[in-house]
Amino acid sequence: DGGITQSPKYLFRKEGQNVTLSCEQNLNHDAMYWYRQDPGQGLRLIYYSQIVNDFQKGDIAEGYSVSREKKESFPLTVTSAQKNPTAFYLCASSIRTGYNSPLHFGNGTRLTVT
Amino acid sequence: AQSVTQPDIHITVSEGASLELRCNYSYGATPYLFWYVQSPGQGLQLLLKYFSGDTLVQGIKGFEAEFKRSQSSFNLRKPSVHWSDAAEYFCAVGAVSRVDTGTASKLTFGTGTRLQVTL
Repeated sequence: DGGITQSPKYLFRKEGQNVTLSCEQNLNHDAMYWYRQDPGQGLRLIYYSQIVNDFQKGDIAEGYSVSREKKESFPLTVTSAQKNPTAFYLCASSIRTGYNSPLHFGNGTRLTVT
Repeated sequence: AQSVTQPDIHITVSEGASLELRCNYSYGATPYLFWYVQSPGQGLQLLLKYFSGDTLVQGIKGFEAEFKRSQSSFNLRKPSVHWSDAAEYFCAVGAVSRVDTGTASKLTFGTGTRLQVTL
């Protein structure tokens, strides 16, 4: 079955270290997204990509970086510049661009930075 | 910019009882509206969506939602709740683009409503 795979499910890092979260999809979707989820705050968009080698900042991009070298992959790097990195990170994709395209989500990565 | 309000942080219902989760949106033009469900530690699953046409939308798992433009609402309903419906529910809105410029689905999510089901 097609879907979105996020790995690892749990990730622990020391403060000051960069960490990369993996997101792979085999749905042949054009667009991919990274959201951050914090308790009581819903989902906030970090970055999104419409096609390979292109990506755009979302609402809370500071302290994060992404790449889109392959259609299937959209890794997120949480840098040491991110002040509050501990959160639940969700990757998503949509079949095509446009505001009416439903998002398909992975099962998330919970990042804890101490 | 669009926004979504889910006024109820936490709701508890008995199994078999009816359910209504509230969602109010703010956007100047015609919105695209979605309801997603999230089980603990999991990603989000699409329940239903509204783009245009019939204002009563049917979704998966027996859920439905009604779009009311006059009230800027898109409330989610289920006639009889099952214990497996316990989860967190998110309403989301996407703006309509005038021209297909290839803009990605930048949805705005509400803060969610956690549903607890008692047996």
